[in-house]
Amino acid sequence: QKEVEQNSGPLSVPEGAIASLNCTYSDRGSQSFFWYRQYSGKSPELIMSIYSNGDKEDGRFTAQLNKASQYVSLLIRDSQPSDSATYLCAVKFYEKLTFGTGTRLTIIP
Amino acid sequence: EAGVAQSPRYKIIEKRQSVAFWCNPISGHATLYWYQQILGQGPKLLIQFQNNGVVDDSQLPKDRFSAERLKGVDSTLKIQPAKLEDSAVYLCASSLDLGTAYEQYFGPGTRLTVT
Repeated sequence: QKEVEQNSGPLSVPEGAIASLNCTYSDRGSQSFFWYRQYSGKSPELIMSIYSNGDKEDGRFTAQLNKASQYVSLLIRDSQPSDSATYLCAVKFYEKLTFGTGTRLTIIP
Repeated sequence: EAGVAQSPRYKIIEKRQSVAFWCNPISGHATLYWYQQILGQGPKLLIQFQNNGVVDDSQLPKDRFSAERLKGVDSTLKIQPAKLEDSAVYLCASSLDLGTAYEQYFGPGTRLTVT
């Protein structure tokens, strides 16, 4: 079983709609959760971090965490073409950060 | 605040040759990471330093890969000899300290092609 699982996509969303990205993790003791955005040919860029159950909002981005279900998600409201990228979910257990394979998101104008 | 610096940005070598990558973390960041990212996959941790000590190198292929961070700042990652399957982007990241809440920031990466 993979430690961090994401749907690889591609996920296509119309411009202005809500994009929903999901991630599950296997280690119940995981403590910190991160979303990175990676444009093609570029390095990962941290966009959200979440540490406790519930929602965390930052501009158009909302991260959601449910530790009981071992599930973390990222919502992008009012999607823009510039949001087209691969989104990597990363989960931290003690000192080690483990990444999923990423979901490729395409925003359709 | 300057970000994580890496060089070179691109490198093409033949199999069995050696190569070295350099990383300078964000000023004041005690923890430094080297990741390997193969096309279509997420980054995989190779080695993690806290100051100049190794915290985790469990996924580093030690028969060919080595890394050091002698003065607790800059770091080098070396591959000798390289194999075709080493073709990947090598990412350096840093964080202020160890601990679950500390966020990691990535450098631009070095794209290695082994022919």
